[in-house]
Amino acid sequence: EVQLVESGGGLVQPGGSLRLSCAASGFTFDDYAMNWVRQAPGKGLEWVSGISWNSGGIGYADSVKGRFTISRDNAKNSLYLQMNSLRTEDTALYYCAKDISSGRPKSFDYWGQGTLVTVSS
Amino acid sequence: QSALTQPASVSGSPGQSITISCTGTSSDVGAYNSVSWYQQHPGKAPKLMIYDVSNRPSGVSSRFSGSKSGNTASLTISGLQAEDEADYYCSSHTNSNTEVFGTGTKVTVL
Repeated sequence: EVQLVESGGGLVQPGGSLRLSCAASGFTFDDYAMNWVRQAPGKGLEWVSGISWNSGGIGYADSVKGRFTISRDNAKNSLYLQMNSLRTEDTALYYCAKDISSGRPKSFDYWGQGTLVTVSS
Repeated sequence: QSALTQPASVSGSPGQSITISCTGTSSDVGAYNSVSWYQQHPGKAPKLMIYDVSNRPSGVSSRFSGSKSGNTASLTISGLQAEDEADYYCSSHTNSNTEVFGTGTKVTVL
């Protein structure tokens, strides 16, 4: 059974940093690209970032480019999102999502339950 | 990258068919056969319903079908059931090598 478990969310002040983690199990992690998708309270889905199976391909939404860094550790079956210079508009539930492909972002067939990030003073 | 445009709401009676549109541009929907559709029930994570415009993952009902014409993709739900009441989002790959979601559509079963 595929499982994706996010952690690391919490309350942070504007300008602060957080590191999200996603522990994956139930599939061959290094065969697939992985992504972060967020959803602000009461709002729609927003793709944040994606990383290919070997970290050779990485992409970011314009809204987070230069502030967020995605990475993965295939030996630990884990995905990460380092979030710096956080803004109030970054407040959202952050989902880890497995891609159906190994390369560029395509479709997300498994999702975690999300970790909540709240940016507020 | 602007969000793809979806109608805010669509409704139908049980047994009817409904169609949700997803309009993008020649830089995303029109450029790739890489449109996906997701269903999200309140308080739950999204579920992949359609990928590559018209393909259904294993376990997804055949009542769900997808298509695309030009810059607009569509999701059709036939034989509408109470359990189909949810939010639906389209997504597409873009020529910036990113992914963009639609604005979301709330489906109501009357």
